[in-house]
Amino acid sequence: GQQVMQIPQYQHVQEGEDFTTYCNSSTTLSNIQWYKQRPGGHPVFLIQLVKSGEVKKQKRLTFQFGEAKKNSSLHITATQTTDVGTYFCCSNDYKLSFGAGTTVTVRA
Amino acid sequence: EAQVTQNPRYLITVTGKKLTVTCSQNMNHEYMSWYRQDPGLGLRQIYYSMNVEVTDKGDVPEGYKVSRKEKRNFPLILESPSPNQTSLYFCASSRGLAVYEQYFGPGTRLTVT
Repeated sequence: GQQVMQIPQYQHVQEGEDFTTYCNSSTTLSNIQWYKQRPGGHPVFLIQLVKSGEVKKQKRLTFQFGEAKKNSSLHITATQTTDVGTYFCCSNDYKLSFGAGTTVTVRA
Repeated sequence: EAQVTQNPRYLITVTGKKLTVTCSQNMNHEYMSWYRQDPGLGLRQIYYSMNVEVTDKGDVPEGYKVSRKEKRNFPLILESPSPNQTSLYFCASSRGLAVYEQYFGPGTRLTVT
């Protein structure tokens, strides 16, 4: 079954606003990856976090790995229409396990 | 261009008619896997392969078979498809399991009637 749980399942955001999606695990993870899937497309790798408390930024996207390595978050600032899609977190310890994803829609 | 290809992209078939979805990668990756994507359930792993002739079950292997005779190819076989296998299927490859990003194919939309 799924090792990681994502919340919320859906996120409706006004253009220009910020939002955060969360990924939680009951066990300690060795690393966490984030992927983005545009509507009608395939998942594309965004980033990987390995260290406890690690924070990485990609323009308006900020990724964080919790101190206990049991949770991760993706924060998007000043949401744009190009941010539409589904964001997945993924743990890849002894085998890959994807969260159910957060589907983001943007109101212009 | 580095890529993962899948064929066919769309398939409508009937219950019980055997089918194969092909997957090929040109990046010399050792790890390959198959996923199905269903609304609200995210990506669930069907089978994976660590290398040639090495395959193992993922989370939802029932009703599927795979083979890995060559490094670049990892076909997904449905011996007797059923309507509950209607889904969007993705093949993916990577250099290995831990700390390596997955490269996904474009997806195969399968409908079983």
